[in-house]
Amino acid sequence: EAQVTQNPRYLITVTGKKLTVTCSQNMNHEYMSWYRQDPGLGLRQIYYSMNVEVTDKGDVPEGYKVSRKEKRNFPLILESPSPNQTSLYFCASSSYSGSEAFFGQGTRLTVV
Amino acid sequence: AQKVTQAQTEISVVEKEDVTLDCVYETRDTTYYLFWYKQPPSGELVFLIRRNSFDEQNEISGRYSWNFQKSTSSFNFTITASQVVDSAVYFCALPYAGGTSYGKLTFGQGTILTVHP
Repeated sequence: EAQVTQNPRYLITVTGKKLTVTCSQNMNHEYMSWYRQDPGLGLRQIYYSMNVEVTDKGDVPEGYKVSRKEKRNFPLILESPSPNQTSLYFCASSSYSGSEAFFGQGTRLTVV
Repeated sequence: AQKVTQAQTEISVVEKEDVTLDCVYETRDTTYYLFWYKQPPSGELVFLIRRNSFDEQNEISGRYSWNFQKSTSSFNFTITASQVVDSAVYFCALPYAGGTSYGKLTFGQGTILTVHP
């Protein structure tokens, strides 16, 4: 089954404690992205990747890091989380720009 | 820069009513796609439709229909005979094309639809 898998689904952490949200896709897609969803703001892109070792900033990259060492995986790293990073995060993949984007189930992160 | 505007923050209807969700977009691209996604209370994002800017024909899928008008930069979504299960947040989205394709989607703010029994 074609899917994008994110883990964990829910996470509560404390300010400053490094964390990683994993994302994996099994469709051999070139493009992967991370989005955050906040009330009234829709989804905003954090980082994206066109292929292995090719990543770039989206609209709201501050406080986040990513890596793309393998085509299927695109982890999101918060080196020092802060309360303003409390949000719902989605990973997405697509085969080309304009094709349907497949989304993971979402990760609800709370930073206290 | 690309922009997607969904001016309706929340809509509330009674079951069996028809409801239209508005989407207005801005892009400098001459060729582009538009998407609609549904986010039910469970939280996942469900793909509904992709429309190419070349094709301005209305599309119907069951109770769902989409009206794409390039002249007004709008891509509206109508649910006919709404049902409680249609209650969700609906997002309109515009993929980024630009000079290099990066797979980015620009989303509208979303419209919360509540269908009451």
